[in-house]
Amino acid sequence: DGGITQSPKYLFRKEGQNVTLSCEQNLNHDAMYWYRQDPGQGLRLIYYSQIVNDFQKGDIAEGYSVSREKKESFPLTVTSAQKNPTAFYLCASSTPTSGAYNEQFFGPGTRLTVL
Amino acid sequence: AQRVTQPEKLLSVFKGAPVELKCNYSYSGSPELFWYVQYSRQRLQLLLRHISRESIKGFTADLNKGETSFHLKKPFAQEEDSAMYYCALSPRSGSARQLTFGSGTQLTVLP
Repeated sequence: DGGITQSPKYLFRKEGQNVTLSCEQNLNHDAMYWYRQDPGQGLRLIYYSQIVNDFQKGDIAEGYSVSREKKESFPLTVTSAQKNPTAFYLCASSTPTSGAYNEQFFGPGTRLTVL
Repeated sequence: AQRVTQPEKLLSVFKGAPVELKCNYSYSGSPELFWYVQYSRQRLQLLLRHISRESIKGFTADLNKGETSFHLKKPFAQEEDSAMYYCALSPRSGSARQLTFGSGTQLTVLP
């Protein structure tokens, strides 16, 4: 069950600490995304990247940062500025084309808990 | 701004009964609509997209532009259909093709 991997599966953080979530894909996809999943709120887009060395803020980017130095990797850092970081984080990738939409493929997720 | 609304957080039906999961959207342009599904202990995955006009696992969804709806239907529910279902919207054109998701509906099919 490869494709997109996320690590770790569970992560615990003390208040005031930054933490980085890993997302790797071997699908040769250009675009990658980070979502946050909260009960009753669905998935909300944090950041997305359509190409290496480029990324854009999503709907809830405050308190988060990303980098896209390699096509395969799109790590997400949850900073101490994020007021409510406890959530389930999902990474996804896709190959956008100028024509029909290409589906997004999702990783297994990382559950972050702030203690 | 684009928005997707799924009015039912929880939906329970008996096996063999018809099921309909509601989805309404607001978007100023011409959208693409999708249904994603997350089975227990599995990854979120695409179920179907309106542009393909396909039936997957017995599910269909018709885009009603007048009512701005994209309800998911299945005539005879099965226990294995129990899952979390998300309706999602994407702009049909432009460089930013990210998805906007609804809040999801947890479907339980009872034996």
